[in-house]
Amino acid sequence: DGGITQSPKYLFRKEGQNVTLSCEQNLNHDAMYWYRQDPGQGLRLIYYSQIVNDFQKGDIAEGYSVSREKKESFPLTVTSAQKNPTAFYLCATAGGWYTEAFFGQGTRLTVV
Amino acid sequence: QKEVEQDPGPLSVPEGAIVSLNCTYSNSAFQYFMWYRQYSRKGPELLMYTYSSGNKEDGRFTAQVDKSSKYISLFIRDSQPSDSANYLCAMRANAGGTSYGKLTFGQGTILTVHP
Repeated sequence: DGGITQSPKYLFRKEGQNVTLSCEQNLNHDAMYWYRQDPGQGLRLIYYSQIVNDFQKGDIAEGYSVSREKKESFPLTVTSAQKNPTAFYLCATAGGWYTEAFFGQGTRLTVV
Repeated sequence: QKEVEQDPGPLSVPEGAIVSLNCTYSNSAFQYFMWYRQYSRKGPELLMYTYSSGNKEDGRFTAQVDKSSKYISLFIRDSQPSDSANYLCAMRANAGGTSYGKLTFGQGTILTVHP
């Protein structure tokens, strides 16, 4: 079954803890993206990667880190330095510069 | 100034109405334009994709791009209650430059179509 898998769907974290969100794809897409969505704020770009072992900061990268060791995987770590991490996190992939992007179903992170 | 500005709404229309959703952008490097629909607590799904000025039609949906004015629109004809969702415009820059590969979204417009 092809697609983009984000896990877990819901995640709870205690303040001061790091947490890693998973994004896996079997679409053979080169580009992968992480977005954060807050109510009324649309999607804000955290990090993106065009190729394995390379990634760029988006508009709100502070307090987040990523890796791209495999084409299929682009995990996002929310560190304790992120002051307001409670949000809906979305992963997307695209086949190339000129192609459309497709999304996973998201992970809802709550800090307790 | 944000690179992409979307009319925030919210928008409430009766069933059967024509809906117009709009975005403006400031980065002339944007060459690829998309519209997504997002239902509550779900990932966005692609509705329309275009890269040239003019109109592109798909069923009840028409995407319009005016690169000279840096303005894009999505029109929904004969709107249905099932069209009620958050609509997001998105844009990607052409190859080369500092915006290479970056996919930028508008703030979204929440549409409600009531019977």
